[in-house]
Amino acid sequence: GAVVSQHPSRVICKSGTSVKIECRSLDFQATTMFWYRQFPKQSLMLMATSNEGSKATYEQGVEKDKFLINHASLTLSTLTVTSAHPEDSSFYICSARDVSTYGSPLHFGNGTRLTVT
Amino acid sequence: QKEVEQNSGPLSVPEGAIASLNCTYSDRGSQSFFWYRQYSGKSPELIMFIYSNGDKEDGRFTAQLNKASQYVSLLIRDSQPSDSATYLCAVKSLGGADGLTFGKGTHLIIQP
Repeated sequence: GAVVSQHPSRVICKSGTSVKIECRSLDFQATTMFWYRQFPKQSLMLMATSNEGSKATYEQGVEKDKFLINHASLTLSTLTVTSAHPEDSSFYICSARDVSTYGSPLHFGNGTRLTVT
Repeated sequence: QKEVEQNSGPLSVPEGAIASLNCTYSDRGSQSFFWYRQYSGKSPELIMFIYSNGDKEDGRFTAQLNKASQYVSLLIRDSQPSDSATYLCAVKSLGGADGLTFGKGTHLIIQP
């Protein structure tokens, strides 16, 4: 089945530093990828839609200058959390739409648990 | 505001029984409905999706959709302890953002 690889799975960083998270679709091309954030016992919250070759679309309340998204190819999107602070600690999950499959389901990466100290 | 509602549970079901998970949604324009399973500390895993009214079966799982009543359900037959997880209902609306609106999930516990 479709596989989405996300790296790193876990990262601990100091406040003020930047962290880059990679999301790759391994066996299908993804013109659109999505970045979600999930706090403990909460639902997934869409942060932004990453579009290959164009600017990302951010959801209301998400700072585009803090969460930088780059979708450089049909298989890779990156999320950079700039100047991270403890309140940015969360579970970040990417997903990619497999348009080659009927229904174009979303497949998720394994997530990145970010802890900012 | 598009909303997807699920009972947070926990829903406790004995092993071998049928687990029934329900979800309601507010946007009548919704077209696609997805069920994801999420184990603690892990990312969601797609179980199945449904578009048309009625039932759709895949192994031990059956998704049921009733657009008139705006609800979608997931039945798990012959429940196993490994089915214990949080089940997320997700809805995609026609013409809306490409992403999905997720419910908060139902925590299912299968008792051996």
